[in-house]
Amino acid sequence: KNEVEQSPQNLTAQEGEFITINCSYSVGISALHWLQQHPGGGIVSLFMLSSGKKKHGRLIATINIQEKHSSLHITASHPRDSAVYICAISGYLTPKAAGNKLTFGGGTRVLVKP
Amino acid sequence: GAGVSQSPRYKVAKRGQDVALRCDPISGHVSLFWYQQALGQGPEFLTYFQNEAQLDKSGLPSDRFFAERPEGSVSTLKIQRTQQEDSAVYLCASSYGLAGGPYEQYFGPGTRLTVT
Repeated sequence: KNEVEQSPQNLTAQEGEFITINCSYSVGISALHWLQQHPGGGIVSLFMLSSGKKKHGRLIATINIQEKHSSLHITASHPRDSAVYICAISGYLTPKAAGNKLTFGGGTRVLVKP
Repeated sequence: GAGVSQSPRYKVAKRGQDVALRCDPISGHVSLFWYQQALGQGPEFLTYFQNEAQLDKSGLPSDRFFAERPEGSVSTLKIQRTQQEDSAVYLCASSYGLAGGPYEQYFGPGTRLTVT
């Protein structure tokens, strides 16, 4: 079983729709990251959060530490939001020095149609 | 520099060749990570440096993979005797902080390696 599970794997939406991507994890963490990857492009960090909720423009990320669950919401989606969205966790509660390394989910491919 | 850079962006190697992939992290970033991303999958951790010290290499898939960061800035990931299963995008990321963060990681554009 993967330590980070995302759903759905693929999502198609019409421009303007509200989009939700879910992420569940099974180990203790100190932070959860939401990342965006465009086709052929590098990875951009959208959010890093340890509790509660963060908002940036039309993007909102929430996390429930007790339930080990996070969601990424895109409001008023636009075709330029089409990308792969990846959830990742960091900060294992282990003594290893690389506690900040990221463990990634498989990604959610989002397509927003005009 | 403005961000993390990697070179080459694309590399085609014949099976059995050795390759070297370079990463230039953001200036002043202490931590440097290498990740491997197979087609259609999320990245997976390969190795981690804190300055010049390689503190974790648990993700390197075999002893054909070797990474170094001799002066605590530029890093090189070397793959010897490449195999087809090594075909992937190799991502480098850097972050300001030391281990135990968490700190936001900044990713390079990746090197797409194709082994024929």
